[in-house]
Amino acid sequence: RKEVEQDPGPFNVPEGATVAFNCTYSNSASQSFFWYRQDCRKEPKLLMSVYSSGNEDGRFTAQLNRASQYISLLIRDSKLSDSATYLCVVKGGGRRALTFGSGTRLQVQP
Amino acid sequence: DAGVIQSPRHEVTEMGQEVTLRCKPISGHDYLFWYRQTMMRGLELLIYFNNNVPIDDSGMPEDRFSAKMPNASFSTLKIQPSEPRDSAVYFCASSRSGGRGNEQFFGPGTRLTVL
Repeated sequence: RKEVEQDPGPFNVPEGATVAFNCTYSNSASQSFFWYRQDCRKEPKLLMSVYSSGNEDGRFTAQLNRASQYISLLIRDSKLSDSATYLCVVKGGGRRALTFGSGTRLQVQP
Repeated sequence: DAGVIQSPRHEVTEMGQEVTLRCKPISGHDYLFWYRQTMMRGLELLIYFNNNVPIDDSGMPEDRFSAKMPNASFSTLKIQPSEPRDSAVYFCASSRSGGRGNEQFFGPGTRLTVL
């Protein structure tokens, strides 16, 4: 079983739609959680950290459920520029390094 | 700030040849990471350094892979001899202790093709 599991997609949505991605992680000792964004043939970049209380950054909302070991990302009012792969990332369990999910691909269509 | 710098950006080589990938982390960052990304396996950590010292190399596939960090501004990942299954994008990333959410900044990657 992978440490971080994501639905690979692709999610094809029209502009303006709301889309949600989910992710589960297996290591209950994980301490920090993130969503990274990766554009085609580019490097991953931090989109947002995920806090236990949930957090919002503009059109993006991230939530964490430690009991279920589940992380989510909600994107409202999708833009064409949101088209990318979204990587769920966890850290902890005694490791400094990040563990990446395989990513969920989003394609926003006009 | 120039960000993390990697070279070369593309490398095409033949099986059996030695390949050396280079990375310059962001100035002031004390952690450096090497990752490999393939379609099949996604993004995998190979090795990381703290203050130029290797901390965890459990992700290094086999003895053909080696990494060094002779100083705070330079690291290399070497594959000798290279094999076709080593074809992937290799990313270097750096971060700073106590940085915002321990954010890791990635370089643009080296796309390696082994024929």
